[in-house]
Amino acid sequence: QITLKESGPTLVKPTQTLTLTCTFSGFSLSTSGVGVGWIRQPPGKALEWLALIYWDDDKRYSPSLKSRLTITKDTSKNQVVLTMTNMDPVDTATYYCAHHLWFGELSAFDIWGQGTMVTVSS
Amino acid sequence: DIQMTQSPSSLSASVGDRVTITCRASQSISSYLNWYQQKPGKAPKLLIYAASSLQSGVPSRFSGSGSGTDFTLTISSLQPEDFATYYCQQSYSTLAITFGQGTRLEIK
Repeated sequence: QITLKESGPTLVKPTQTLTLTCTFSGFSLSTSGVGVGWIRQPPGKALEWLALIYWDDDKRYSPSLKSRLTITKDTSKNQVVLTMTNMDPVDTATYYCAHHLWFGELSAFDIWGQGTMVTVSS
Repeated sequence: DIQMTQSPSSLSASVGDRVTITCRASQSISSYLNWYQQKPGKAPKLLIYAASSLQSGVPSRFSGSGSGTDFTLTISSLQPEDFATYYCQQSYSTLAITFGQGTRLEIK
């Protein structure tokens, strides 16, 4: 059974750096075709993809946020870490990590964590 | 970026109704289109991948179709547990994965 869980601060101040950790079980991030992504959702708004890291350490970032994001993995710890610099109140959102599968035309986030709410406020 | 536009943005329907939600991509995405269901306070759930493949465990009343730029999600007979928000998502360009703005399905 695949599970993912996000952890990190619930409150950050403007200009600070946010560090979120996704701890997962039930799969290995060294398996071909597997990735872990981050997606966020401001209150009452739509989903926004942020970043994705693959089994081979290939990394993808949202073009609009690329300069602020870094995604890394620790395969031995079954963790993926996302950092976002220069946080702003508009970054207030629920942040989800999700298991990503990529095989042919199957390229989807098939299992999601429960999400963690991050508020940016002074 | 590839823009994904869903219609309608919201929809009222009754239990037993057949409902169709549309998603249009700003350029061809072949069949790299997924559909998710999200209930309030919960994480999204994958329903359909590759435009028309039903995710394991998802009821067969859900179906997807389309290719290129135009896609549809159909619920053949609405059940009470289907009232939620639905999102399409393209994965044709994993350099810039994008979601639609969502369609809120409400009880009439």
